[in-house]
Amino acid sequence: GNSVTQMEGPVTLSEEAFLTINCTYTATGYPSLFWYVQYPGEGLQLLLKATKADDKGSNKGFEATYRKETTSFHLEKGSVQVSDSAVYFCALSDRTWNDMRFGAGTRLTVKP
Amino acid sequence: GAGVSQSPSNKVTEKGKDVELRCDPISGHTALYWYRQSLGQGLEFLIYFQGNSAPDKSGLPSDRFSAERTGGSVSTLTIQRTQQEDSAVYLCASSLVAGGPTGELFFGEGSRLTVL
Repeated sequence: GNSVTQMEGPVTLSEEAFLTINCTYTATGYPSLFWYVQYPGEGLQLLLKATKADDKGSNKGFEATYRKETTSFHLEKGSVQVSDSAVYFCALSDRTWNDMRFGAGTRLTVKP
Repeated sequence: GAGVSQSPSNKVTEKGKDVELRCDPISGHTALYWYRQSLGQGLEFLIYFQGNSAPDKSGLPSDRFSAERTGGSVSTLTIQRTQQEDSAVYLCASSLVAGGPTGELFFGEGSRLTVL
């Protein structure tokens, strides 16, 4: 079945450091891919998405490129801020199955 | 309100008691999902409703768990004879269309269940 695997955390970085959180997926069809973020004390919210191969999703300085050849959707940001401290979830939605599957989440802590 | 509403926000119960968790999705959203988030764990899919179709119950961990969605709107997740391992945050989400090109889920803030 469909599944998502993302790098285990926690990840601790200093402010302005470069961030990469790895995500790979397994799917039988042509899924859409997402990154959701959960800030402390808040509900999950969509950060960015990509619906087809080679698409790049971007938001708030974060980017992820849908790589079909490597079945990956790694999240990157060039310069993290303390306010980026949160748990990040990679997710997959298969158009034929009509459901959403999430990775285990990666906790990011950014220190000043 | 405009978002997904869940109640109660916190529930403490004794082992063996039944609990009900409620989710009020965004108006007009046809798809509704329940997930469980245990401490230090990711999101575990529980059940999915789409319109009037039969729900996908494939994620329910045991027959103590059940859910219903009345009138295609409000949903109730029921846990019977609660166990300590049921302690978690139960998240509800809704979406305008089920999966597909948009696929964005809108989450509630969750119901934190503690079983003593």
